[in-house]
Amino acid sequence: AQSVSQHNHHVILSEAASLELGCNYSYGGTVNLFWYVQYPGQHLQLLLKYFSGDPLVKGIKGFEAEFIKSKFSFNLRKPSVQWSDTAEYFCAVKRSSNTGKLIFGQGTTLQVKP
Amino acid sequence: DAMVIQNPRYQVTQFGKPVTLSCSQTLNHNVMYWYQQKSSQAPKLLFHYYDKDFNNEADTPDNFQSRRPNTSFCFLDIRSPGLGDAAMYLCATSTRLGGYGTDTQYFGPGTRLTVL
Repeated sequence: AQSVSQHNHHVILSEAASLELGCNYSYGGTVNLFWYVQYPGQHLQLLLKYFSGDPLVKGIKGFEAEFIKSKFSFNLRKPSVQWSDTAEYFCAVKRSSNTGKLIFGQGTTLQVKP
Repeated sequence: DAMVIQNPRYQVTQFGKPVTLSCSQTLNHNVMYWYQQKSSQAPKLLFHYYDKDFNNEADTPDNFQSRRPNTSFCFLDIRSPGLGDAAMYLCATSTRLGGYGTDTQYFGPGTRLTVL
């Protein structure tokens, strides 16, 4: 079965530290890739997405992600985190077919210390 | 300017007592989805509507049903909630299902269901 793995379940960083959250998926066909963020008490919001083209995708709030097809990976990065980045981050995969089904990873809780 | 609205935000029901959760959207999207997210787990798709066409995930229990009376509204009905159905229920919308487009799902704030 198709799955999405997020390697880090809980990450604690100090402000200004660099961030990289890992995401790997198991499906071998063409995929669409997403990172969503959920701030405390808020709804899931799209950070960035990859459909095709440049594998380095830039999103909102200084986040970026790199699609490495050979590694089935879509890691999220930010060079310098802020306290306001404290949130839960979800990687999600959608097979590029006639289904809208998103398969989510289990999420990574990021805590940024001021 | 909320786009996907879920009511109520918190719902408490009793074991076995039917409950309905509501989702509405102002985006005029064709597709509406319901996800279940249990504590510390990933959101899991229950079913979706493409316009009036209903699509159930194979592993969604029969206890869960949905209605979409018009483009804007979609309801999740849990006929006989069990303790294991306590979760956050997320509604999402998109313009279309898939293909090679740049479609994105927009999520509502969720309804947290407690079963006593």
